[in-house]
Amino acid sequence: AQSVTQPDIHITVSEGASLELRCNYSYGATPYLFWYVQSPGQGLQLLLKYFSGDTLVQGIKGFEAEFKRSQSSFNLRKPSVHWSDAAEYFCAVGPAGDDKIIFGKGTRLHILP
Amino acid sequence: IAGITQAPTSQILAAGRRMTLRCTQDMRHNAMYWYRQDLGLGLRLIHYSNTAGTTGKGEVPDGYSVSRANTDDFPLTLASAVPSQTSVYFCASSAGQTYGYTFGSGTRLTVV
Repeated sequence: AQSVTQPDIHITVSEGASLELRCNYSYGATPYLFWYVQSPGQGLQLLLKYFSGDTLVQGIKGFEAEFKRSQSSFNLRKPSVHWSDAAEYFCAVGPAGDDKIIFGKGTRLHILP
Repeated sequence: IAGITQAPTSQILAAGRRMTLRCTQDMRHNAMYWYRQDLGLGLRLIHYSNTAGTTGKGEVPDGYSVSRANTDDFPLTLASAVPSQTSVYFCASSAGQTYGYTFGSGTRLTVV
């Protein structure tokens, strides 16, 4: 069965520092992969997605993610974080041809001024 | 503004009462979903609908029912609420897997 793991429950970085949030998935074939962000009291917003092709994908708000098949990973990165990036981030995976996706348990990002 | 509207925003409900959470989208998306979000558990799929007139069970369907009479509306009903159904409920829709999901702002439900 497919699954997605976000190993870090909380991550704290200083404003202006680089960020990498980890995501590992379990699936037999190449899955569809997503990153969502949730600001406090809000719904989830799609940051970026990967289906095929270039393994480095660009998203909104300056985020990018890299698909590494050999490591079953889809880590989210940002070169320089802003205080407004403080939020919870969810990695999600879905099998090709099935609209239903499974979410990781999330990583809460804290930003130090 | 196109999107998903959920109502109510929050609700305190006595155990044993019936409650319907409303979800309406104006994007003409075929697929719709209900998730619950609980601390430490992430989002778990309750029910889904691939198109109007069809519904399916997700990971945690017990105690919940849904209907999909038309494309726009996807209400979630708790027939007899229990405290373990205290959660934040999110409705989402999708135009297809390559597009990802659009989420509503959620309903915070407390069952006492």
